[in-house]
Amino acid sequence: EPEVTQTPSHQVTQMGQEVILRCVPISNHLYFYWYRQILGQKVEFLVSFYNNEISEKSEIFDDQFSVERPDGSNFTLKIRSTKLEDSAMYFCASSEARVAGGPDTQYFGPGTRLTVL
Amino acid sequence: AQTVTQSQPEMSVQEAETVTLSCTYDTSENNYYLFWYKQPPSRQMILVIRQEAYKQQNATENRFSVNFQKAAKSFSLKISDSQLGDTAMYFCAFTRPYGNKLVFGAGTILRVKS
Repeated sequence: EPEVTQTPSHQVTQMGQEVILRCVPISNHLYFYWYRQILGQKVEFLVSFYNNEISEKSEIFDDQFSVERPDGSNFTLKIRSTKLEDSAMYFCASSEARVAGGPDTQYFGPGTRLTVL
Repeated sequence: AQTVTQSQPEMSVQEAETVTLSCTYDTSENNYYLFWYKQPPSRQMILVIRQEAYKQQNATENRFSVNFQKAAKSFSLKISDSQLGDTAMYFCAFTRPYGNKLVFGAGTILRVKS
């Protein structure tokens, strides 16, 4: 069964450093998302991406964040200058264009645990 | 804006028993989807069940079923014959169609005891 993959599974970085989190969505999906979950808290939406542009972003997704689809398979989240409060689990998800009668289901990758020291 | 509320922070159930997790939501939309996701200790987000708002029939997936009450904006999850592997955090989530974001509740920790 196709699945969303993410690398790395765990990233440790120093405050102020740039990090790039990578995702490979399910191949026939057209919508891509990033969410984050601070330990013990709810899952929060960061950004959605469709047709090579951001379709929606949350107030969390400030100028320090950017997303890119550099080729036909990868979808990346870059944090330009990490802060301590960026420490969280980051999930990538993807969904296909809604098919008639079917729900718009988002499938999640296993997550990247980001630790900022 | 849509909101999702899970009022039970923690629940426990004996193995083989049935448990129901509650979820309410608030929206002015008429067409939307609701989901339950399971997050075990590995922190992977696993889809459990989904419901289209336009369908009156409640969704079922093996031991998992929902009670969807559209007028009351309620979407509870029933787990029958609970198994130790069901121990996890369960999130209720809402989305509008066509690639919109998921809005999650705060989650309910479910512990299945032997």
